[in-house]
This record gives sequence, structure tokens and C-alpha cells, in this order.
Amino acid sequence: DAGVIQSPRHEVTEMGQEVTLRCKPISGHNSLFWYRQTMMRGLELLIYFNNNVPIDDSGMPEDRFSAKMPNASFSTLKIQPSEPRDSAVYFCASSSPSGRAAYEQYFGPGTRLTVT
Amino acid sequence: KQEVTQIPAALSVPEGENLVLNCSFTDSAIYNLQWFRQDPGKGLTSLLLIQSSQREQTSGRLNASLDKSSGRSTLYIAASQPGDSATYLCAVEGSNYKLTFGKGTLLTVNP
Repeated sequence: DAGVIQSPRHEVTEMGQEVTLRCKPISGHNSLFWYRQTMMRGLELLIYFNNNVPIDDSGMPEDRFSAKMPNASFSTLKIQPSEPRDSAVYFCASSSPSGRAAYEQYFGPGTRLTVT
Repeated sequence: KQEVTQIPAALSVPEGENLVLNCSFTDSAIYNLQWFRQDPGKGLTSLLLIQSSQREQTSGRLNASLDKSSGRSTLYIAASQPGDSATYLCAVEGSNYKLTFGKGTLLTVNP
């Protein structure tokens, strides 16, 4: 099992540019989560998908952020336009409601975003 | 709004010592509680998940307990090793499927 895959691992961009982060969940998992981690605020949930449908996006900070899940094996988080305060580590996680590890969230390695 | 607090924020112990990390949460209406480990510059690794109906879970040298009514959980690490050095995060899942995380405890185990 390859685990949750995220790309890119590091992204440096200039303010105003569009940024797209990508995630491939664990095969068979039907829930996908996007988190943001900063020193000040810790880990915060941005959006949660279940069976490819966005269930809760109340954590998305503003309209500049959008997320999609076109199929069960791929999701994107887009920031347009990016701002320096968006600099953080963005994590994707997935889980399954069945099996021995039911509901455990498995995290990807994260994307470290720096906006200058 | 759920709030999760972890005490202490940092802990340094000599190798071989048994230790306890604490986690408290304000809303006892949770579905489960999960302990994670995070190494510097890395993602989170799930250590233990305790369902709300359970009182404890064990995995190797790790034992996590849950007292839902008092809003507390502890992670017990037996015979600590330098490889246990990491940040340990506690997270609770509410009815809205959201995981609310604490700020973590930075553990350093000195050889």
C-alpha cells in the first residue's frame, strides 16, 4: 500500500499566483480530508469529502480557496490568488468506515507551501 | 466549539523512563479519539484510535486511555527510546466528522 500521495512536496510561488495541490487517497478509502498546519493555529480541517462529495467546507478560509474531487482516486486544493499568509503545510488524509482500521485517518506527507 | 488541550507542551526525559502525555477536550460528545505522531518535516502517523465506547487501546509500548465523561485521555509510553522523540498530537472526532487537534506535545528522549 503506497499510502496517501501528495504532490508537490514543496511549492514556492509569488503572491498573486495560482497554486494547485494534489492528493491521491488510499485505494478503497471513501473519505478525504484537507488540513492546513501552521505554527500559530496548529492543524485545521479545511474541507471533508465523502464518496467524492464535499460534505463540510466550513473550514475553507475564504473564496480564494477551492477543492474538488472528480473521482475516488484524486483531489485538488486550489488557491487563487495566493497570499503570503497562505504559507503553511497542507495535508491530505483519507479514511474508510470499515475494516480493522475503521475511521482512522491516514495522512499524506504534506505539501509545504511558501508564498513570497 | 470543541477545544483540545495537550499538556505538557514539551517534555524531555532520559531513555528508559515511562511517561504520560495528557489530552483534554471540552465537548464530551465525541465519536472517537486518535493519537498521532509527527516527526519533523513529516506527515502524521496514526498511533491509536479509541472509539467513544472504549476505555483504552494498546499497541506495543503504547497505551491510550479515554475517560469521555471527564473529557480526558492519556498516552502512556513505556520504556521510552530515543526513536520515540517526536511531536505527539491528540485529536477528537465529533458528530460532524471533523477532527479537532491539540497543539501537540514535543517529546525528546535523551540517550
